[in-house]
Formats: sequence, structure tokens, C-alpha cells
Amino acid sequence: NAGVTQTPKFRVLKTGQSMTLLCAQDMNHEYMYWYRQDPGMGLRLIHYSVGEGTTAKGEVPDGYNVSRLKKQNFLLGLESAAPSQTSVYFCASSYMGQGGELFFGEGSRLTVL
Amino acid sequence: GENVEQHPSTLSVQEGDSAVIKCTYSDSASNYFPWYKQELGKRPQLIIDIRSNVGEKKDQRIAVTLNKTAKHFSLHITETQPEDSAVYFCAASNVGAAGNKLTFGGGTRVLVKP
Repeated sequence: NAGVTQTPKFRVLKTGQSMTLLCAQDMNHEYMYWYRQDPGMGLRLIHYSVGEGTTAKGEVPDGYNVSRLKKQNFLLGLESAAPSQTSVYFCASSYMGQGGELFFGEGSRLTVL
Repeated sequence: GENVEQHPSTLSVQEGDSAVIKCTYSDSASNYFPWYKQELGKRPQLIIDIRSNVGEKKDQRIAVTLNKTAKHFSLHITETQPEDSAVYFCAASNVGAAGNKLTFGGGTRVLVKP
């Protein structure tokens, strides 16, 4: 039982390049989330999904796209990376509703030069 | 949307002393308030949570209190130990809304000095 896994763990991009972060969970959770973590700003929600085939915007969605084609996977894409997107990205999943615990992945550190 | 403020941003305590972290929230519809602990280089993990129908909850050396009227909640750590050194995040959500979206505070870096 691996929980929530993210790939890659580290990535360096040049401005304008694109990339995709992959999140996979094996707990059969309905809800999945992408957060970014920046110093002093806590964890900010980028996009989330309440089930396979659904996505919705969070607090800071601009510059990112997501897809949830399979229940266990949630992809975060950057179409044209900017230095402001340098951050640590965390994926999380939770059982549907009722204030359930969020299970986080190990994080992906992205640097945009 | 919800806004969560967390204070202090850093907290240094002597081993054995108590630590208190305070958070305020803006949305009166929020009814679920978890606390996450993140050790250096690790993922955030839930340590305790409280729902709006409860005023206080305790789990060994940690406790959380909630004041719905004032819209603030606090984390209390007693008899601090070096392994309590970490960043702590408070959060709030309305579990009745779709997505169970958590809004996090900015975090408090706690350092327990031996």
C-alpha cells in the first residue's frame, strides 16, 4: 500500500517549457487535490477533483491545467512555465466528504529559471 | 472564500514548556478544523482535528480549542519535546460543500530547544 505517490520529485524547467506532474493513489479515494507550498504562505489549493472525469478550480488555478481520466490518477500540467511557478507541489487525496483526513504525497520541487 | 490567519509564524520554546498556536478564520460556514504537522523535508500529516459541534479535543500532549463565536481555534502542545520541532498548519473547511476543500493558514515553525 503505497498511499499517494508523486512523480517527478524534482524538476528544473526553463521559462516557457511545459511539464506534467503525476499523482497516483491506491486508497480508492474519490477526492484528489493539488496544492502548492511557498514560504510563509502555507498550502494553497490549485485545482481539485471530486471524482473520475471531474475537475474544479481552487484558490490559485491560473497557469495550470489538470485532468482526472482515471480515479487513481490526477495530473497537473504547466503549459508555459513561469518563474512564479517555482514552488513545492503537493498532491493529496481524501475519502469522499465529511471532513476526512487528507493524505499527502511526498511533494515535487519545481524550479523555473 | 475562506481566509485563515495563523500566528505566530515562528515559535521557539524550551523543552518541557508549552506551545500555543492561534488561527482565525473568516467564513462562518466552516465547520471542520484540522491541524497538520510537517517535519523538515516531509509531507504534511494530520495530528488532530475538531468539528464545530465540539469546543475542545485532546490527544495525549496535544489539544485543540475552538471558539465559533470569535471564529478562532488554537493548538496547544504541552511538555514539548525535540521531536515536536516542525511546521504546523491549521486549516478550515465546510464539509457540507462539494470537494471538502481545506484552506490552510500560513504555518508556524516551532523549534524546541533541548
